[in-house]
This record gives sequence, structure tokens and C-alpha cells, in this order.
Amino acid sequence: QQKVQQSPESLIVPEGGMASLNCTFSDRNSQYFWWYRQHSGEGPKALMSIFSNGDKKEGRFTAHLNKASLYVSLHIKDSQPSDSALYFCAVSHNYAQGLTFGLGTRVSVFP
Amino acid sequence: GPKVLQIPSHQIIDMGQMVTLNCDPVSNHLYFYWYKQILGQQMEFLVNFYNGKVMEKSKLFKDQFSVERPDGSYFTLKIQPTALEDSAVYFCASSLARAANTEVFFGKGTRLTVV
Repeated sequence: QQKVQQSPESLIVPEGGMASLNCTFSDRNSQYFWWYRQHSGEGPKALMSIFSNGDKKEGRFTAHLNKASLYVSLHIKDSQPSDSALYFCAVSHNYAQGLTFGLGTRVSVFP
Repeated sequence: GPKVLQIPSHQIIDMGQMVTLNCDPVSNHLYFYWYKQILGQQMEFLVNFYNGKVMEKSKLFKDQFSVERPDGSYFTLKIQPTALEDSAVYFCASSLARAANTEVFFGKGTRLTVV
């Protein structure tokens, strides 16, 4: 059964700083990787996806995937207080399969 | 942006009773999901539903669980009878396509407490 683990559990970042979130997964057949963000009182919202090895940049957010190392990461550049949220890594190995989520990393950005 | 609405936000129910959780998916979406999150644990996939049928379900989707979406109304998760271990936050989600490369939109969740 797929295991998705995230680290660190929580992260405190100064405004303007860089936040780095890590995620490892256990199933080598995993194909689809998502980062979801959940603000307090809201449901999770997709932040970005990555399906190929390497880096993918969307604005201040960069995802990195290394399938051979069973590793995916998210980096938030120039962090803003509005980035304070719970970040989930979500993985699927099947085109139509439900996502397997990690426990999340809580990011707090202080001014 | 597109929103998935869940009603109610909280529900407290006596063990053994039936409960129905309601979800109003994004209007043009075709695939619907329920996820369960026990406090302090991962959010876990329960079921996905398309064209009136369960397409895929996990081992967490017990025989006491059922889903339906009669005539385009709410997408519902019914638990009958409820057990103490059903206490959790249940997230409804929807997507335009079933593919794992398609964005899934989540509601805010219904917190179910079984006492």
C-alpha cells in the first residue's frame, strides 16, 4: 500500500524567505504528484502538479520530482503571510486512482 | 473559482443511527469523491462515483457506506448504521475528468461526531 510521508511537520519562515517542503512515497509505479494547500477553515486546493522528473516552476512556487529517489519537493520563494497554510503532497500511481495524501506540513510565514 | 459546497459543516449523531452527508459539486463536473480524515491522520480516499455508479472504492468504504446522486441533486454519503470510528472530517470533491492528472476540487468538509 502506498505510503506518503512529508517533512518537516511544521515550518516557520520569515516573510520574503524560502520555504522547502519534502515528500517521499513508497510505490515506484507512482505517476502523478500534486501539491495541495489548505488554509484554515477551507478545503484543500490544488497548488500545482508535476508528472515528469525535474523542476516545474509556477510563479513563486517550484516543484521538484525524482521518481527514482521516490521524492518530490515544493519550494516557496519570497514567502508571504498569505502562504501560511497546511501543505499536502498527494500521489497517484494509476491514471484513474484516488489520490494518497501525506499528513501535511504546516507553514507559518511571519512578517 | 469553482466551489464544492458541503452541508452541514458539523453533525453530531448517536452511534447506530443513520447519517447523510450532502455535497453540491462543481456544476459541470462529472466525477465525485469522498475522502475521510480522522483527527491527526492523513486524508484517505473512500470512493469515486461517475454516471450513477461507484467506479472505485477503498477498503475504508465499508458495507455500511453508500453513495448516490439522484437526478443531479446532492451527491450524498450515507452511513447506516454509524459507529464510533466513523467520527472524522469527510471531504467531498469533484473533477471534470477521472484522470489523476486532472485537478480535483474539494469542499470544506463535514465534521461528523458519533457519540
